Amino acid sequence: EVQLVQSGAEVKKPGESLKISCKGSGYSFTSYWIGWVRQMPGKGLEWMGIIYPGDSDTRYSPSFQGQVTISADKSISTAYLQWSSLKASDTAMYYCARRESYYDSSGYYNYWGQGTLVTVSS
Amino acid sequence: QSVLTQPPSVSAAPGQKVTISCSGSSSNIGNNYVSWYQQLPGTAPKLLIYDNNKRPSGIPDRFSGSKSGTSATLGITGLQTGDEADYYCGTWDSSLSAGGVFGGGTKLTVL
Repeated sequence: EVQLVQSGAEVKKPGESLKISCKGSGYSFTSYWIGWVRQMPGKGLEWMGIIYPGDSDTRYSPSFQGQVTISADKSISTAYLQWSSLKASDTAMYYCARRESYYDSSGYYNYWGQGTLVTVSS
Repeated sequence: QSVLTQPPSVSAAPGQKVTISCSGSSSNIGNNYVSWYQQLPGTAPKLLIYDNNKRPSGIPDRFSGSKSGTSATLGITGLQTGDEADYYCGTWDSSLSAGGVFGGGTKLTVL
């Protein structure tokens, strides 16, 4: 059974760093892109970026380029999303999801993590 | 402001049919496949439609998808109260700022 299990909720202060995780199981972790999606409170889905754990090829949305870092450790089948200096506006639910096609033109996500709630408040 | 445009809300009575539109451009919907997701309150999104009109295993045929030019449509027939949720379209944008994109979401109310 394919599963993506994300790390637990985080409460941080502005300026702090954070790294959240997404562990894949039940499939070949290196053969599928993993994407990250932000959902701010009461708002819609925002695509942040994706990584291919097989070769660490990473793409970012222009809105998130330079704001976050996406990485993966294929030895433990885990993808990461990290911030070096959090802002209050980073408060949101963050989802990881497995992209089913290698090719961008058919980039749909069939398996999703349960979400990690990040709260940034002084 | 989302790259893909969806109506903020739609509503219909139980048993009726509803359609949700998703409008884009040649750099996204016009040249890439569209997927649709259902998000029930407090849960992660769930894939309903992929590659414009295909349903994953387990998704009932009450849900359908279509695409024409730079627009896509999700159709839901035989509405049930359990269908009340937020619905999002998604695709890839092949412009200079290439990446995945989602619509702003549509809240479906089953009256």
